[in-house]
Formats: sequence, structure tokens, C-alpha cells
Amino acid sequence: DTGVSQDPRHKITKRGQNVTFRCDPISEHNRLYWYRQTLGQGPEFLTYFQNEAQLEKSRLLSDRFSAERPKGSFSTLEIQRTEQGDSAMYLCASHFRATSGPDEQFFGPGTRLTVL
Amino acid sequence: EDKVVQSPLSLVVHEGDTVTLNCSYEVTNFRSLLWYKQEKKAPTFLFMLTSSGIEKKSGRLSSILDKKELFSILNITATQTGDSAVYLCAATGANSKLTFGKGITLSVRP
Repeated sequence: DTGVSQDPRHKITKRGQNVTFRCDPISEHNRLYWYRQTLGQGPEFLTYFQNEAQLEKSRLLSDRFSAERPKGSFSTLEIQRTEQGDSAMYLCASHFRATSGPDEQFFGPGTRLTVL
Repeated sequence: EDKVVQSPLSLVVHEGDTVTLNCSYEVTNFRSLLWYKQEKKAPTFLFMLTSSGIEKKSGRLSSILDKKELFSILNITATQTGDSAVYLCAATGANSKLTFGKGITLSVRP
């Protein structure tokens, strides 16, 4: 257990429905990242926050995706009008970013999304 | 665009063998190279490398970084069936986001 939690662990939904995932990072970590991993691939970066500010979004993040970290603590990732291509493992990771220092990110257990 | 390439993509060995996993990277404003192990769940951290030529070791696993040639290797000696997993290499740039390779699937046969 890394101290990063995600909820739910599994989600099955029908195409066209909206889904929301939650990530609770390690409490003192100021950076929170979302990644998506499909079968046979490494995780791909989606977006990241420093405290409550969303600093970068990947071009993979279409306008159906939105992420928030309202108080600089937990984060949510919402997918609207889900498509079968959204089926993947959604991973959250956190770390404390200082001017210098380690980049080790601690991953949560992931949310596996299946869109039927 | 940042890129990480791992090779081979899959490997089958017998218990007791030694394996070398390769990772090359092209990342703007490179900060660090990380190795993770993934077994049907989220990746678990193995090593982080920031300096060339300094080997990091943990039991039977070791890793080294070459910042001039832009690659890293992960060695596993005396492999065991419990080493069977996907090994992910990732590199970070200025914003610390991880750019991953596709992973190397290692299967260790008894």
C-alpha cells in the first residue's frame, strides 16, 4: 500500500453514460497526476495538478474529460458520454515536488473502467 | 515529443537465468529515469536514477543510467518465478510527468 487510494476500483458502464473517479493522494504531496493504461501499453500521461492548479493536459484528454483538485487534496476525473475506447485502467499518482529532489511517484491501485 | 523505448518487448527465461532489460529515452529537460514493476495491478517503484554510471542495487536487481547515450538497463540475476511481471521504464522532464515505455513482459519458467 503506497498511501494513495482510488475509488472505485472497478467500474462497468454503458456507452454514453458519465463516470467519475476519485483519487486521494498522500496528504503532504503537492503534485497529483492522472495516467491511463490500456492493455499491452505503458501508462500514458493525462493531466497533472500542483496543489489545486491544473498545470498541463495531454492532447489525449478530449473535451469529454475533465479533472479537478478543488482544495489541493483529493482529485476527481470525470468522463462524459463514455465510449468503448475509454475502457482502460485509470491510474493516479502523487509526489512532493521541490525545486530539486526525487521524482518518484507513488501510484494508487487504479480504477479499471469497462465501457459496454 | 518525449519518447521512451524498451526492448525486448517480451522475454522468456528459466529460473536461475540472468536477464538484462533495456530502456532508451528522448526527453526534453531530462530529470530522472525510473523503473517500475507491474503485476496485474498498479506499478510498484523499483529504482530512480539521476546520475550517469552509478549503479543502484536492491537484492538481485540492479540498474544503471548512461546520460550520454540516453539509456538505462535493469539487470535481474538468479531469476525466480516471482520476478514474472511487466517491467516499465519511465523518464521525467521538467514538470516531473512520467513518460513510459510500453513495458517488457518477463516470464520466468520453473
